[in-house]
Amino acid sequence: ETGVTQSPTHLIKTRGQQVTLRCSSQSGHNTVSWYQQALGQGPQFIFQYYREEENGRGNFPPRFSGLQFPNYSSELNVNALELDDSALYLCASSLVQGGGAGYTFGSGTRLTVV
Amino acid sequence: SQQGEEDPQALSIQEGENATMNCSYKTSINNLQWYRQNSGRGLVHLILIRSNEREKHSGRLRVTLDTSKKSSSLLITASRAADTASYFCATDLNDYKLSFGAGTTVTVRA
Repeated sequence: ETGVTQSPTHLIKTRGQQVTLRCSSQSGHNTVSWYQQALGQGPQFIFQYYREEENGRGNFPPRFSGLQFPNYSSELNVNALELDDSALYLCASSLVQGGGAGYTFGSGTRLTVV
Repeated sequence: SQQGEEDPQALSIQEGENATMNCSYKTSINNLQWYRQNSGRGLVHLILIRSNEREKHSGRLRVTLDTSKKSSSLLITASRAADTASYFCATDLNDYKLSFGAGTTVTVRA
């Protein structure tokens, strides 16, 4: 299967709950990054995983955490959801660490926190 | 603060016209990338230009990079309705992340 796939596509959660978003990276890509995109804004970097290790993190609190699995798929977990966490969450994979050849993005998960 | 800033914020053109948008950034880069986003969905990688390149073409797209001015431009020639989207520049500082601007929203009128 080619391309990056994310699930679910849409999600509604209540403030204080926890959520897990999933991403399957493009075949052969060993680096996965997660971005948060608020409405009307550009994507903001959350963190990147390379060979199952976190190798970079943006300005997000520890309640945002992640995992990368041996097949290079990934999860983003957010605990204690806040209203401001409502956003489009994008997963991106790349062939090389740091994405020097560009990234392939998934279609995103739209999270609404009420 | 964001590394890249696009200008203009919004652009409306007639089908067949050219669309030009600009990106300015603050620090030295490894490369600069342009992405397209349709209706709040995923980003599509359009073109990557490295810091030692000045111009790059891909189909109807032309990207320039001026590292002395810390700026880049994206030109879409002979625009089509399907080009209606938001366009983002993203800078790669040779680390682990891309820094995106807020984007330019392009509307192509039939």
